[in-house]
Amino acid sequence: DAKTTQPNSMESNEEEPVHLPCNHSTISGTDYIHWYRQLPSQGPEYVIHGLTSNVNNRMASLAIAEDRKSSTLILHRATLRDAAVYYCILRAIIQGAQKLVFGQGTRLTINP
Amino acid sequence: DSGVTQTPKHLITATGQRVTLRCSPRSGDLSVYWYQQSLDQGLQFLIQYYNGEERAKGNILERFSAQQFPDLHSELNLSSLELGDSALYFCASSVGREVQETQYFGPGTRLLVL
Repeated sequence: DAKTTQPNSMESNEEEPVHLPCNHSTISGTDYIHWYRQLPSQGPEYVIHGLTSNVNNRMASLAIAEDRKSSTLILHRATLRDAAVYYCILRAIIQGAQKLVFGQGTRLTINP
Repeated sequence: DSGVTQTPKHLITATGQRVTLRCSPRSGDLSVYWYQQSLDQGLQFLIQYYNGEERAKGNILERFSAQQFPDLHSELNLSSLELGDSALYFCASSVGREVQETQYFGPGTRLLVL
């Protein structure tokens, strides 16, 4: 079964870039890679997703390794509001049913 | 505000009891997902409904059940509650059932079993 592995915690400084890694070495060809984040006392919120190519949106960038066994979420200029738990998730349709595999999440601390 | 509402916000009950958690998806969303978040297990997918039908099952216990009604709201029923069922329960919704679609999460229901 697919599995994602993330560091438990990371720390960065305000206005610096942050690279959050996720290992998914058992990913299958149909798995989409999603990233969500959870701010304190809130439900998770969508950040970005991709399949094979790197992706950019207004919140972040997603860099996917060529073999797809790992990916990196990039926050280009971290702010204090980016302090959250970041989840790397694999999603696929298997025999008509959706499969979701969550990582344990990385707690990101941003220092002023 | 994601547009997904969950009630109640907090629930305190005793072991052996049964509770029902309610979720109203965003207007127009057909899929509803339920998740459990506990301190030791992290965020776990429980079950998905799409337009009233069960579409996917995750780590949902047999003591737990869910349904989605014609107006698309969903309920998660937890019975024979145990201390270990204490957790945050999130509901999320999406437009359809494709894996590329964004899920919008509600604020959660915090369940405490004493």
